[in-house]
Amino acid sequence: DARVTQTPRHKVTEMGQEVTMRCQPILGHNTVFWYRQTMMQGLELLAYFRNRAPLDDSGMPKDRFSAEMPDATLATLKIQPSEPRDSAVYFCASGLFFENTVNQPQHFGDGTRLSIL
Amino acid sequence: QKEVEQDPGPLSVPEGAIVSLNCTYSNSAFQYFMWYRQYSRKGPELLMYTYSSGNKEDGRFTAQVDKSSKYISLFIRDSQPSDSATYLCATPISGETSGSRLTFGEGTQLTVNP
Repeated sequence: DARVTQTPRHKVTEMGQEVTMRCQPILGHNTVFWYRQTMMQGLELLAYFRNRAPLDDSGMPKDRFSAEMPDATLATLKIQPSEPRDSAVYFCASGLFFENTVNQPQHFGDGTRLSIL
Repeated sequence: QKEVEQDPGPLSVPEGAIVSLNCTYSNSAFQYFMWYRQYSRKGPELLMYTYSSGNKEDGRFTAQVDKSSKYISLFIRDSQPSDSATYLCATPISGETSGSRLTFGEGTQLTVNP
């Protein structure tokens, strides 16, 4: 089965450090999403890309978060500087999207569990 | 008001029971509805998705949409301990098409006891 791959699976670091999370979407998928999951807020969309172009990053704190797609097989989410309130599980999802058609829902990776001390 | 609301539970049932999981949504423009299952320390896994009103069945799982009451349900027949997980309902934000960004309910934690 094709899968979305996320690395690292776990990350523990101190406040103020830079954190980089990586995602390899399913081959051929043209849309990549970043979500964050916390107990208090549940799953929330941070940003998403289509054909490597950012479409919406309104869910991200722009002063410290950045998301990019250097190529079609890699998406990155960076936090600099990190803060304890960033502790959460960060999920990447990918999907194949075409206009004016019923598309398949997106598939998720297993997430990066981030702890900021 | 959240776009999708779901009772977080927890819900505990004996093995073999019929389970009913429910969500309500606020925007009548929503057309596509998904159910994801999430095991502990794993990502959400797509179970089923439906378009508009009606029922969709897949093995022991049935997804139901009632657009008149803005109510979506997932039924699990003959529940098994392996069904123990958190179940999340989701719909594309602001009525976008099915492949777009999703808004999720809070998730219902289900435990099926042997």
